[in-house]
Amino acid sequence: GAGVSQSPSNKVTEKGKDVELRCDPISGHTALYWYRQSLGQGLEFLIYFQGNSAPDKSGLPSDRFSAERTGGSVSTLTIQRTQQEDSAVYLCASSLGQGGRRETQYFGPGTRLLVL
Amino acid sequence: AQSVSQHNHHVILSEAASLELGCNYSYGGTVNLFWYVQYPGQHLQLLLKYFSGDPLVKGIKGFEAEFIKSKFSFNLRKPSVQWSDTAEYFCAVNPLNTGGFKTIFGAGTRLFVKA
Repeated sequence: GAGVSQSPSNKVTEKGKDVELRCDPISGHTALYWYRQSLGQGLEFLIYFQGNSAPDKSGLPSDRFSAERTGGSVSTLTIQRTQQEDSAVYLCASSLGQGGRRETQYFGPGTRLLVL
Repeated sequence: AQSVSQHNHHVILSEAASLELGCNYSYGGTVNLFWYVQYPGQHLQLLLKYFSGDPLVKGIKGFEAEFIKSKFSFNLRKPSVQWSDTAEYFCAVNPLNTGGFKTIFGAGTRLFVKA
């Protein structure tokens, strides 16, 4: 079956512009996650959605970052007024959403964002 | 704060050498543990996972990892590496008090295997 897909694969923008990154999770997965991978750094948790529960936004680095998930499926991560330090690879993952000991995350290919 | 430490940022080995990548986490409760791998130009994929039971888990491509609860460690091993194992390896922890959803990743270890 299809894996997690993300678009665009690459995005170049100018400082101060807004960007939207999209994630399509694996069909049937109710949990969706966003991470940021900066050069030389590990994966930094940003936010996750689980079913109809309120998302865990504890990893969002500033109020310029927001994410939504429509219809329990597709998610969009929005970065407003981009800064050069936002340049990174943004990874999306999804999992079944059963919780407890059954959660294995499957990752998409990422969106490489470059802010000039 | 919860954290995951990977001891080496870069490792260089010759083919057929043995590999051990260290991973320690700081969380006292029950956890799920993972190793992910990212090959050059590819996206992150699961190498192996520990949920419960036998603390020695086997993954793909001859990798294994051992969960030592008393040491809060989950080290990755492979007896004989190949050039194709050149990749970046990430250790990750799900503390189960978050429902097993929130995952904390280590900074990664870049492995380069010389042919």
